[in-house]
Amino acid sequence: EFVLTQSPGTLSLSLGERATLSCRASQSVDSRYLAWYQQNPGQAPRLLIYGTSSRATGIPDRFSGSGSGTDFTLTISRLEPEDFAVYFCQHYGSSPPMYTFGQGTKLEIK
Amino acid sequence: QVQLQQWGAGLLKPSETLSLTCAVYRGSFSDYYWSWLRQPPGGGLEWIGEINHRGSSSFNPSLKSRVIISVDTSMSQFSLKLSSVTAADTAMYYCAGQVDATVRYWGRGTLATVSS
Repeated sequence: EFVLTQSPGTLSLSLGERATLSCRASQSVDSRYLAWYQQNPGQAPRLLIYGTSSRATGIPDRFSGSGSGTDFTLTISRLEPEDFAVYFCQHYGSSPPMYTFGQGTKLEIK
Repeated sequence: QVQLQQWGAGLLKPSETLSLTCAVYRGSFSDYYWSWLRQPPGGGLEWIGEINHRGSSSFNPSLKSRVIISVDTSMSQFSLKLSSVTAADTAMYYCAGQVDATVRYWGRGTLATVSS
């Protein structure tokens, strides 16, 4: 069974600090199909990063994605108040079609 | 910018069928795949299945036996039916649209609660 494991489960940081969120796949994946989403309480998720490193429309450049193979990273360079939320990574596999999400990382203000 | 508006019954009894519909606005219905996802309270996201305008569909194997996803291209709508619900199906259900295997557009969500 294919699994995405995110770490840490919770990350406590202060405004202005750098956040590094990890997503590890149980097997090597096509980096074209690795995405990151942000979810605020009571809201639907919002696409941040697709294709491992491409920012979605309207996403500030303090958000960046990187990685390959089984290890992927979402980096927020300088935390703003609106960045404290839950972040999910997601992969699409085509045989058969399947969207798999990580369990999420909660980014909380310290 | 694509907008999704979803609706459906929010309170069900065990063994009933969950029915939700999602309407697509401000976008070409044929340009995207359309999905249903869910998120239990305090939990992670689970993909349920997808369909395109031609009716070609795929499903999460864990739910496939209970899921029907249909499309009405004349109304730019797609629908979800999940049969034989139990308390484990209590979740926020989202409709969504994806391009290039990325979920780009999300509905606001419908909370479905299963309780006797």
